[in-house]
Amino acid sequence: EDQVTQSPEALRLQEGESSSLNCSYTVSGLRGLFWYRQDPGKGPEFLFTLYSAGEEKEKERLKATLTKKESFLHITAPKPEDSATYLCAVQAKGGSEKLVFGKGTKLTVNP
Amino acid sequence: DAGITQSPRHKVTETGTPVTLRCHQTENHRYMYWYRQDPGHGLRLIHYSYGVKDTDKGEVSDGYSVSRSKTEDFLLTLESATSSQTSVYFCATGTANQPQHFGDGTRLSIL
Repeated sequence: EDQVTQSPEALRLQEGESSSLNCSYTVSGLRGLFWYRQDPGKGPEFLFTLYSAGEEKEKERLKATLTKKESFLHITAPKPEDSATYLCAVQAKGGSEKLVFGKGTKLTVNP
Repeated sequence: DAGITQSPRHKVTETGTPVTLRCHQTENHRYMYWYRQDPGHGLRLIHYSYGVKDTDKGEVSDGYSVSRSKTEDFLLTLESATSSQTSVYFCATGTANQPQHFGDGTRLSIL
């Protein structure tokens, strides 16, 4: 069974204090790993897709990396507007487009 | 997300009543999904569709049915609502090899 575990459940940072969120996964052949951002009362918003170990993608203060067992979302010099819940999901090989999500990490960035 | 409309956005109903949630898309995406999101569980797939009149079960399908008679509409029905189905329901759409995009959710309370 495909599984995704995110840690920590919650993270509180000061503005400018860099950190990383972890997404550990087990999947029967990884087709893609996805990062989403979710603001309160909103649906998840797509950030990145990673397909193979060693791949990295960046967007503003965010950088996502992938190994064979886990992915990290690095946040450099965060701002209060980066506060959100960050979700990780995996898609397995085999023709299905289904995603399996982790429970998310709630990030709070204080000014 | 632009192109995905969920209705209603909020609903309160009583145990035992039927409930239908609607997802409408203007993106002409082949795939549509229904998820529920609960504290401590993250996003869980209920049902999905891979084309008009083509649907399949997800992880938590018991007590739910779906229908897709047109590309743009995907309906989720609770035939006889129970308190355990109180949740936030999200619709998502996508195409092959592209990330899923989400609507802003329906908050359903069953008393």
